[in-house]
Amino acid sequence: GAGVSQSPSNKVTEKGKDVELRCDPISGHTALYWYRQRLGQGLEFLIYFQGNSAPDKSGLPSDRFSAERTGESVSTLTIQRTQQEDSAVYLCASSFAGGKLFFGSGTQLSVL
Amino acid sequence: LAKTTQPISMDSYEGQEVNITCSHNNIATNDYITWYQQFPSQGPRFIIQGYKTKVTNEVASLFIPADRKSSTLSLPRVSLSDTAVYYCLVGALSGGYNKLIFGAGTRLAVHP
Repeated sequence: GAGVSQSPSNKVTEKGKDVELRCDPISGHTALYWYRQRLGQGLEFLIYFQGNSAPDKSGLPSDRFSAERTGESVSTLTIQRTQQEDSAVYLCASSFAGGKLFFGSGTQLSVL
Repeated sequence: LAKTTQPISMDSYEGQEVNITCSHNNIATNDYITWYQQFPSQGPRFIIQGYKTKVTNEVASLFIPADRKSSTLSLPRVSLSDTAVYYCLVGALSGGYNKLIFGAGTRLAVHP
């Protein structure tokens, strides 16, 4: 596809369960970002991948959160032992060498 | 990392020009200024990007003074469909480390 694709678009889970969120960036984009957006709030930086460099994980809120990226391709954000405060929209964006960001439509995560 | 400050909200009426100013006092020499627009339930989308002076495209204009410590997004003749959150972002355009942090954004409400 031409744009950034995220799946699933919606995820409802029970407290304590693990979830995996997927992001397919635009082909050729070297940079990939994950952000979290709570209802009515701004975008909260989570993690940044740039090429083959070590990712910048400084925004991950706790050790329950982790993310991986395969080369300059797909990325997965994993949240272990989900809590109700994890409920939010998780947005992925990609760019070429740090330029203009292209966002996916996000994954709406609801933790019951 | 350059931090940005914007007004939390603005109100306007259809047909008026809207100017949203962003402060970025710690902008670095190689930083560009980029503005994004976000509608509810969507990821942000790119509006305009500039380095200095003035940039204009089919959607908006961006004014950047010589000291680059602020920038102003100008939306000509707004319509109801321009109601959205607008984010100002500063970061390097190409290469290297480029962690992009969003501020709280400006909620623009356009009234009939």
